[in-house]
Amino acid sequence: KNEVEQSPQNLTAQEGEFITINCSYSVGISALHWLQQHPGGGIVSLFMLSSGKKKHGRLIATINIQEKHSSLHITASHPRDSAVYICAAVSGTYKYIFGTGTRLKVLA
Amino acid sequence: GAVVSQHPSWVICKSGTSVKIECRSLDFQATTMFWYRQFPKQSLMLMATSNEGSKATYEQGVEKDKFLINHASLTLSTLTVTSAHPEDSSFYICSARVTSGDTQYFGPGTRLTVL
Repeated sequence: KNEVEQSPQNLTAQEGEFITINCSYSVGISALHWLQQHPGGGIVSLFMLSSGKKKHGRLIATINIQEKHSSLHITASHPRDSAVYICAAVSGTYKYIFGTGTRLKVLA
Repeated sequence: GAVVSQHPSWVICKSGTSVKIECRSLDFQATTMFWYRQFPKQSLMLMATSNEGSKATYEQGVEKDKFLINHASLTLSTLTVTSAHPEDSSFYICSARVTSGDTQYFGPGTRLTVL
C-alpha cells in the first residue's frame, strides 16, 4: 500500500462540472502540497496546506489532519484544467512523498 | 516569485556521451535542490537531494557515479548523466526548496533521449 493514495486515478468530466480529487496519507507530515502537471511535463504549485482550507480562483483545497485526508476541488471545470493532479506529502526532512496522480480530462 | 529554470529543456545524445542539466532558482536562494526522474505515466521518483556546498545524498538504487550532482551555489545545481545509455532516456525534473520553508518549486523538466 502506498503511503500516499489518490483517487480517482482517471477522471473525465464535462465542462462546467464540479470536480473532487482525493488524497489520503498514512505518514506523519508537516504539510501537503497539491501540484498540477501539464501534458508538456511542467509542474505548477497549486496549494501548500498544513490545516484548514485554501481557495484560489476556481480551485479549493482542504485538509483534515486528524483523518489524514485532503481534497482538491475544481468548480466550473474547463478543458484547460485537463492535466495530472498530484498530491505530495511533505515529510519532516522536506522530502516529498508523491501520490500516484489523478489524470483529469475535461471535455468541451 | 519562486521560479525555477532548467536547461536544456530537451536533449538528444548518442550512447556513451555525457549530458549536463542545469537547474537554477531565479529569484530566491535554495539551500536544497532535488533531482527527480519520471517515466511516462508514472509518478516522480526522487534520485538525490542536493545541498549547497556539500555532497549530494542519493536514494537507494541510484548510482552516484552515473548521475553526478554538483550544487556549487545557492541558485545552481547541475546533474550530469555520464556515459548515457538508452535506458537513461527519461524526463528529469529538479526542484528547489526555499531556505526558510518546506515548499518545493519545480523546474519545467528536461527530456533526455539517448540514441
